[in-house]
Amino acid sequence: DAGVIQSPRHEVTEMGQEVTLRCKPISGHNSLFWYRQTMMRGLELLIYFNNNVPIDDSGMPEDRFSAKMPNASFSTLKIQPSEPRDSAVYFCASSLSQGAEEQYFGPGTRLTVT
Amino acid sequence: GESVGLHLPTLSVQEGDNSIINCAYSNSASDYFIWYKQESGKGPQFIIDIRSNMDKRQGQRVTVLLNKTVKHLSLQIAATQPGDSAVYFCAENRGSYIPTFGRGTSLIVHP
Repeated sequence: DAGVIQSPRHEVTEMGQEVTLRCKPISGHNSLFWYRQTMMRGLELLIYFNNNVPIDDSGMPEDRFSAKMPNASFSTLKIQPSEPRDSAVYFCASSLSQGAEEQYFGPGTRLTVT
Repeated sequence: GESVGLHLPTLSVQEGDNSIINCAYSNSASDYFIWYKQESGKGPQFIIDIRSNMDKRQGQRVTVLLNKTVKHLSLQIAATQPGDSAVYFCAENRGSYIPTFGRGTSLIVHP
């Protein structure tokens, strides 16, 4: 298995632009998680899906952030409009099921908003 | 103005020594704990886990110890190698089924 796949690996954009991050979870995994990592705040859970349904989005910073999971093999995290404070590494992770299970992380997308 | 970054706790060891990385958790209701390793430029990677009905679990070169009395978790790495250099995170399940990650400890292994 190729593991969790994220694209792009790096994104540099200007403030105000729309940014879309993509994730393909491991086949057969039912739960998907989006995290943001910064030096200041560490690893923060933004949202997670179980069986393609958003379960908890309380970590989403504000309305500029949205996430979708149209099917079991694809999810997107969108920021519109982007701001410099959104600069971070965004990780997608998947696990076999909702619960206290091992999560498999993707390589992350490093986002820089200028 | 310039922002101040978070300085992670750092553990420096010599190659071949044993390493002990500590983690304190806050919720006595937590019943599942995981250690992750994050190498530079990569996502966190599962190392070992432990449930609250255990106080010790061993893997290959790694041991996790759980002390529920003082809410303390530790990761022991035997015969530390340069490839062990990374940031190590503990994560606890607080009953919401979603693990909460700690801040991390940076392990530096000197050859």
